[in-house]
Amino acid sequence: DAKTTQPPSMDCAEGRAANLPCNHSTISGNEYVYWYRQIHSQGPQYIIHGLKNNETNEMASLIITEDRKSSTLILPHATLRDTAVYYCIVRPYGQNFVFGPGTRLSVLP
Amino acid sequence: EAGVTQFPSHSVIEKGQTVTLRCDPISGHDNLYWYRRVMGKEIKFLLHFVKESKQDESGMPNNRFLAERTGGTYSTLKVQPAELEDSGVYFCASSRYVAEDGYTFGSGTRLTVV
Repeated sequence: DAKTTQPPSMDCAEGRAANLPCNHSTISGNEYVYWYRQIHSQGPQYIIHGLKNNETNEMASLIITEDRKSSTLILPHATLRDTAVYYCIVRPYGQNFVFGPGTRLSVLP
Repeated sequence: EAGVTQFPSHSVIEKGQTVTLRCDPISGHDNLYWYRRVMGKEIKFLLHFVKESKQDESGMPNNRFLAERTGGTYSTLKVQPAELEDSGVYFCASSRYVAEDGYTFGSGTRLTVV
């Protein structure tokens, strides 16, 4: 079973930052937080991951709280192409990914 | 680099028939994974290859499913005989290391059993 809780859906205006929350209150010390997304009819796409420090790449930023019980994925300037289902996954080191229902993000023009 | 390639992209077969799905991972990726999403459910892990060896097949639903990766390159997933509940999208993914890296997924094969 997934170890994370995400809102089922969110809207975001095009050009604005999209902030997607994720709760993982039972996370263990060796578990990483990953974010994937699935755009309609495509395979899941890796976005970013982190252990305890905030991370940033060309796609997004990941903010993990100090107690590691929650995190936020930030898409700094959302576009219509960012409309997708976003999955927050807590994964023990080296184990397989367990996908939950995710958050359906709709970027609105 | 070329991504993970899956084919066919779509397959419609009758109940009781056999279907074989193929996945070509990214070159040099020793780790290959199969996942699937059946109607109304979440994406579920099926199995994991390291080169040609099955590292973890705990997600395989039953013995109608057979995965192979001869030579440690491409992989096939055979469903024989197919049942209606096997309908869904089958995803393949690969990674260079098991460690903390994310996987690269293919676009999936949509299987419809009628």
